Amino acid sequence: QKEVEQDPGPLSVPEGAIVSLNCTYSNSAFQYFMWYRQYSRKGPELLMYTYSSGNKEDGRFTAQVDKSSKYISLFIRDSQPSDSATYLCASVNAGNMLTFGGGTRLMVKP
Amino acid sequence: GAVVSQHPSWVICKSGTSVKIECRSLDFQATTMFWYRQFPKQSLMLMATSNEGSKATYEQGVEKDKFLINHASLTLSTLTVTSAHPEDSSFYICSARSPGQGGEKLFFGSGTQLSVL
Repeated sequence: QKEVEQDPGPLSVPEGAIVSLNCTYSNSAFQYFMWYRQYSRKGPELLMYTYSSGNKEDGRFTAQVDKSSKYISLFIRDSQPSDSATYLCASVNAGNMLTFGGGTRLMVKP
Repeated sequence: GAVVSQHPSWVICKSGTSVKIECRSLDFQATTMFWYRQFPKQSLMLMATSNEGSKATYEQGVEKDKFLINHASLTLSTLTVTSAHPEDSSFYICSARSPGQGGEKLFFGSGTQLSVL
């Protein structure tokens, strides 16, 4: 079992929809959680960074962490075709070792 | 966010030649940088951890003599693919830790697409 699990998709939604991207993790030592967006043939771009349970909002993006169930989510409101990319969740332990999920490919259709 | 610059963006080379990829942290000092490899539609695979002033730490299955890593300064790490072969064709990405409020964050370069003919 991988330490961070993520549905690979692809997830296809119409423009304007609310997108929910999810990851589960198994290691209780993970302390920080991040979401990256990666366009094809580009390096990942840091979107959200959280270290506690609860919600963190930034524009159309909301990151949610539930440490009790080891579940992390990224919500995208009013999705746009430009949001089409692969979204990677990542978890960091106390030793600053980062573990990526496999990534979810999102397609937002106009 | 912090900026990590990676060059070149793409390179095509003949089999048997060596290719050097540079990764620079532009606005912060990075004692640790990471090198990843990514095949199409797959996630990032950590190849090695590059430590300034010391030898790199390679992940299991990664040939250290094949993928030479040098981290000579706090802002520059290089990956040299020696005697490249077609199976080395891949997308290589570097990243660097940036200290800051709330803990360290990891920022990525834009990646290098290597095609070995």
